[in-house]
Amino acid sequence: SQQGEEDPQALSIQEGENATMNCSYKTSINNLQWYRQNSGRGLVHLILIRSNEREKHSGRLRVTLDTSKKSSSLLITASRAADTASYFCAPDMFSGGYNKLIFGAGTRLAVHP
Amino acid sequence: ETGVTQTPRHLVMGMTNKKSLKCEQHLGHNAMYWYKQSAKKPLELMFVYSLEERVENNSVPSRFSPECPNSSHLFLHLHTLQPEDSALYLCASSVRLVGNQPQHFGDGTRLSIL
Repeated sequence: SQQGEEDPQALSIQEGENATMNCSYKTSINNLQWYRQNSGRGLVHLILIRSNEREKHSGRLRVTLDTSKKSSSLLITASRAADTASYFCAPDMFSGGYNKLIFGAGTRLAVHP
Repeated sequence: ETGVTQTPRHLVMGMTNKKSLKCEQHLGHNAMYWYKQSAKKPLELMFVYSLEERVENNSVPSRFSPECPNSSHLFLHLHTLQPEDSALYLCASSVRLVGNQPQHFGDGTRLSIL
């Protein structure tokens, strides 16, 4: 499939630890986006990294992109209980005349106090 | 508050009912989307609208009928649904369809088909 595939499917850590989630995809992309979803809520955009960028930071988030390996990673440093959520990567590909996000099934992150 | 409001938040309906889901965005965006989210499956893109014109119908059964009367409102009309249609239906918007655009999501409508 063309979608982003996150790894691991689930991750359980203690507060203060770092959380790393990985994403692989199969097509050429314009950018790759990461989203967070809290239980019972919609997706919230976290960060967008363009295909010509290798690393991007936003607060405690660090995203890397390796287009040669078609992979990305999301690192959350010094995690907090409030970071408990599902995280989705979404490769953005141009198809059918517009940019389309192809979501994976997500990584469920649990941060324990 | 994401700027995208979906109503109702929860909906239970029988297979023979007709209902509609509503999405409204207050962001001045030109593109709107419907997604279906089923348990442990990737989000499925259903429909895409740009400036009230449908640009994508991702092989969605005709029992789902979208409507976009203006760039701020998007509806999903439901008719004769099946149990496998039970899911979270998410609406999203973006500034436009092309370019490096993040999408802004509503909180979804949790649909249960009896």
